Amino acid sequence: EAGVTQFPSHSVIEKGQTVTLRCDPISGHDNLYWYRRVMGKEIKFLLHFVKESKQDESGMPNNRFLAERTGGTYSTLKVQPAELEDSGVYFCASSPRKGSYEQYFGPGTRLTVT
Amino acid sequence: AQSVSQHNHHVILSEAASLELGCNYSYGGTVNLFWYVQYPGQHLQLLLKYFSGDPLVKGIKGFEAEFIKSKFSFNLRKPSVQWSDTAEYFCAATPSGGYNKLIFGAGTRLAVHP
Repeated sequence: EAGVTQFPSHSVIEKGQTVTLRCDPISGHDNLYWYRRVMGKEIKFLLHFVKESKQDESGMPNNRFLAERTGGTYSTLKVQPAELEDSGVYFCASSPRKGSYEQYFGPGTRLTVT
Repeated sequence: AQSVSQHNHHVILSEAASLELGCNYSYGGTVNLFWYVQYPGQHLQLLLKYFSGDPLVKGIKGFEAEFIKSKFSFNLRKPSVQWSDTAEYFCAATPSGGYNKLIFGAGTRLAVHP
């Protein structure tokens, strides 16, 4: 079974540019989560999809961040325009609708805004 | 507000030493508790989890954790560490009964010297 995949693994952009991160969850997992870890700090929740619907987006920092999950499969997280403080590692995780509550994490995308 | 605290940010041990990493959570209701590990260059993976029942839970690679409700703690232990245990360890919590966001502690970097 393929795990959660994320693309790209690393992105370096300039302040003011746009970046789109992609997450492919484990097939059949209805729940998809985005998290972010800014250097040296804890991993923080951004938002949660159940299928294509946003269940909880209380962790989204501001309206420069836009997440979508069209069709309830993969998800994208767009940052527009990027700011220096957006640098960090963005993790995606998925879990089944019914099951063990365990979230399966992807390898993360390291975003560097210069 | 819900929070998770990890007592040590950096731990250095010699092989065969015993390990205990502290974790305390702040939440008034019933919680599910997790320890995740991130080995160098790899993605986050689940070490063990507690939902209910026996407060002493055993995970992979010889790790165990004890849930002490009165102390709001979920400390991770291993009797004898190996060089391959060098990694970053994260304690996390989520309210029971739903597929909710994980609240993470800040992480503990463990370095095991041969």
